[in-house]
Amino acid sequence: QKEVEQNSGPLSVPEGAIASLNCTYSDRGSQSFFWYRQYSGKSPELIMFIYSNGDKEDGRFTAQLNKASQYVSLLIRDSQPSDSATYLCAVKGRTNAGKSTFGDGTTLTVKP
Amino acid sequence: GAVVSQHPSWVICKSGTSVKIECRSLDFQATTMFWYRQFPKQSLMLMATSNEGSKATYEQGVEKDKFLINHASLTLSTLTVTSAHPEDSSFYICSASDRDRTEAFFGQGTRLTVV
Repeated sequence: QKEVEQNSGPLSVPEGAIASLNCTYSDRGSQSFFWYRQYSGKSPELIMFIYSNGDKEDGRFTAQLNKASQYVSLLIRDSQPSDSATYLCAVKGRTNAGKSTFGDGTTLTVKP
Repeated sequence: GAVVSQHPSWVICKSGTSVKIECRSLDFQATTMFWYRQFPKQSLMLMATSNEGSKATYEQGVEKDKFLINHASLTLSTLTVTSAHPEDSSFYICSASDRDRTEAFFGQGTRLTVV
């Protein structure tokens, strides 16, 4: 079992719809959870991070964390073609300077 | 977010030569820097973690003598690919974080092609 698992996709949604990206992790001691977006040929960019159970909203993006289920998700509302990218889930343990473990990413395509 | 600058963005070198990639944190002190490699359509693979002033910690299977990492200051880390071969051609990406935050910020990446 991988430490961080994501559906590889591709996930396709029509423009304006809600895209839902899911991620599960195996280390119950994980403390910090991150979502990165990576366009083809580019490096990842941080979208948002979440530490506490519940929802965290930032513009069109909402991260949801459920530590009991070891599950973190990213919702993208009003999806735009420019949201088409690979979304990487990353999980970090207790140490602030510790490394993050990345999932393999989910490829999202938003069709006009 | 914080700014991490990586240079060069792309490089082509001959087989057997060495290539140095720089990673700089422009507006914060990067106590920790991470180096990743990514092959086409694959996920990020962590190569090593470097803390300022210390030797880098390499992931299993990564040759420390081939991928030399130096983190001599709080704003600069370098990765040198020594005696590069075509199989080393890849996208190399650094990320950096500091003591006050848990998130890391990525550089732009360096696409290395060894011919």
